[in-house]
Amino acid sequence: AQKVTQAQTEISVVEKEDVTLDCVYETRDTTYYLFWYKQPPSGELVFLIRRNSFDEQNEISGRYSWNFQKSTSSFNFTITASQVVDSAVYFCALSDSFTGGGNKLTFGTGTQLKVEL
Amino acid sequence: DAGITQSPRHKVTETGTPVTLRCHQTENHRYMYWYRQDPGHGLRLIHYSYGVKDTDKGEVSDGYSVSRSKTEDFLLTLESATSSQTSVYFCAIKGQGGNEQYFGPGTRLTVT
Repeated sequence: AQKVTQAQTEISVVEKEDVTLDCVYETRDTTYYLFWYKQPPSGELVFLIRRNSFDEQNEISGRYSWNFQKSTSSFNFTITASQVVDSAVYFCALSDSFTGGGNKLTFGTGTQLKVEL
Repeated sequence: DAGITQSPRHKVTETGTPVTLRCHQTENHRYMYWYRQDPGHGLRLIHYSYGVKDTDKGEVSDGYSVSRSKTEDFLLTLESATSSQTSVYFCAIKGQGGNEQYFGPGTRLTVT
């Protein structure tokens, strides 16, 4: 069975601070995808990034960066110089095998990030 | 914008009544999904579809049924709603490029 753990329920930071959201996963699949989604107060779910199990390169997109480490089964998300608009719930998710299985997503319970002035 | 709409967006119903939620997509995606979101649980898969009339169960399928008679519509039915089914329901499609999923705006269902 697949499992995603986001141990941080809620994080509060002051604007311009850097913040890292942790994600640890469990799977028996040798090939899989990992994802991050953002859910702002308005409620929609916004796709941020996809990473496949073959690619351990870190990725940077503007103020966002992701650190994928298969050795520790972690896929952490860092926001640099946080802004109030980053306040949201962030979900980490894991999909089942590439072929067959329906590509179902298993989500973590989410981390509520609050960025204050 | 993945062209996904959900209806209704809000619904209040009484225990024991049937309820159908609709997900509509405009881009001919093969895979469609229904999730529910509850505090402390994140999102959990209810059912999914991999084509017209092809559906399968997810993690929390008890009390729910689905139908997909045409590519663009995926219906979720609560045969006899219970208070434990009070939740926010999200529909999703699988993106064409990779395994990411794109979500509809959600339906907030309250069962009294």
